Amino acid sequence: EAGVTQFPSHSVIEKGQTVTLRCDPISGHDNLYWYRRVMGKEIKFLLHFVKESKQDESGMPNNRFLAERTGGTYSTLKVQPAELEDSGVYFCASSSSREQYFGPGTRLTVT
Amino acid sequence: QQQVKQSPQSLIVQKGGISIINCAYENTAFDYFPWYQQFPGKGPALLIAIRPDVSEKKEGRFTISFNKSAKQFSLHIMDSQPGDSATYFCAASIMGGSEKLVFGKGTKLTVNP
Repeated sequence: EAGVTQFPSHSVIEKGQTVTLRCDPISGHDNLYWYRRVMGKEIKFLLHFVKESKQDESGMPNNRFLAERTGGTYSTLKVQPAELEDSGVYFCASSSSREQYFGPGTRLTVT
Repeated sequence: QQQVKQSPQSLIVQKGGISIINCAYENTAFDYFPWYQQFPGKGPALLIAIRPDVSEKKEGRFTISFNKSAKQFSLHIMDSQPGDSATYFCAASIMGGSEKLVFGKGTKLTVNP
């Protein structure tokens, strides 16, 4: 069984540019989460999808972040326009129960 | 305000020794406490998890001890091996709603050969 996959693994962009991160969850997992780890800090929750619906987006930092999960399969997280403080590692996780399985993450560097 | 406090930040243990990582929480509504292991360049991998109705859970060399009254839980790695060198995260979540994980800041474990 394939695990959670994320693309790209790394992205370096300039301040003001747009970046879109993609997450493919484990097949059959209705729950999809986005988390972020800024350097030196803890991994923090961003938002949660159940199928294609946003269940909880209380962790989204501001309206520069837009997440979608079309058809309840893969999800995208768009940052537009990117700021320096958006740099970090963005993780996606999926679950069918309490156990969440994480992808390898996308390391985003905003210069 | 950090809801889950993890210590120590880093830990060095000799091969064969016991590694102990501690976490404390404030929110008594938390009812699920997983530990994750992360190697460089990889995502966090679920290691072991416990619920508050048990005081201890063991899987191989890994044991979670849980103290509900003290609102603390810890990970013990017995017979630590160099391959256990990684960053360990404790987390907690509340049943219902999003069941989002609240993480500690992580502990970087180094096991010397």
